[in-house]
Amino acid sequence: ETGVTQSPTHLIKTRGQQVTLRCSSQSGHNTVSWYQQALGQGPQFIFQYYREEENGRGNFPPRFSGLQFPNYSSELNVNALELDDSALYLCASSLGDRTYEQYFGPGTRLTVT
Amino acid sequence: AQSVTQLGSHVSVSEGALVLLRCNYSSSVPPYLFWYVQYPNQGLQLLLKYTSAATLVKGINGFEAEFKKSETSFHLTKPSAHMSDAAEYFCAVSDSTGGFKTIFGAGTRLFVKA
Repeated sequence: ETGVTQSPTHLIKTRGQQVTLRCSSQSGHNTVSWYQQALGQGPQFIFQYYREEENGRGNFPPRFSGLQFPNYSSELNVNALELDDSALYLCASSLGDRTYEQYFGPGTRLTVT
Repeated sequence: AQSVTQLGSHVSVSEGALVLLRCNYSSSVPPYLFWYVQYPNQGLQLLLKYTSAATLVKGINGFEAEFKKSETSFHLTKPSAHMSDAAEYFCAVSDSTGGFKTIFGAGTRLFVKA
């Protein structure tokens, strides 16, 4: 059984650019949730995907979008990057709506300059 | 809507002393409650979770938490702090009204003095 993995580990982008972050879910998990953790804060829910469809969204603008693939890997895309997008981005996988058993990846640290 | 309040952004204890990290939650239906730990430059590790079974939940590394519905609290304790416990701790809530999305508190940084 593999854990949740994320890539890349670190990323530096310039304001206005676009970025794609990737997450590989734990084997058999069909739900993935993405969180943004700004420095010194708790993680904030961005959105959740279940069986390749968005299944809930937090207070994030449309320039934050996602994809989930048939193999349950997923992507978080952020367009028109802003300085405030600098954060640790975490994904978590779970089975169905059993988010009380979700497993987090190590995160991708995004720095926007 | 769910919410979580962690009392105290920083807590400092001496090695061997009791650790008490406070968490209060708001939820209109029976919640799931969690405590996570985060070490510097790392992701989140689940310490323990409450899912409507026993109200006293035991987790990893000697931590435990008690669900008190009347006080809407889920405080985290450990009888004897160890230097390796120094980290950021997050309380979180999840319930069916929010589509089971997880809402985190702002975190409490635990310092352990030698």
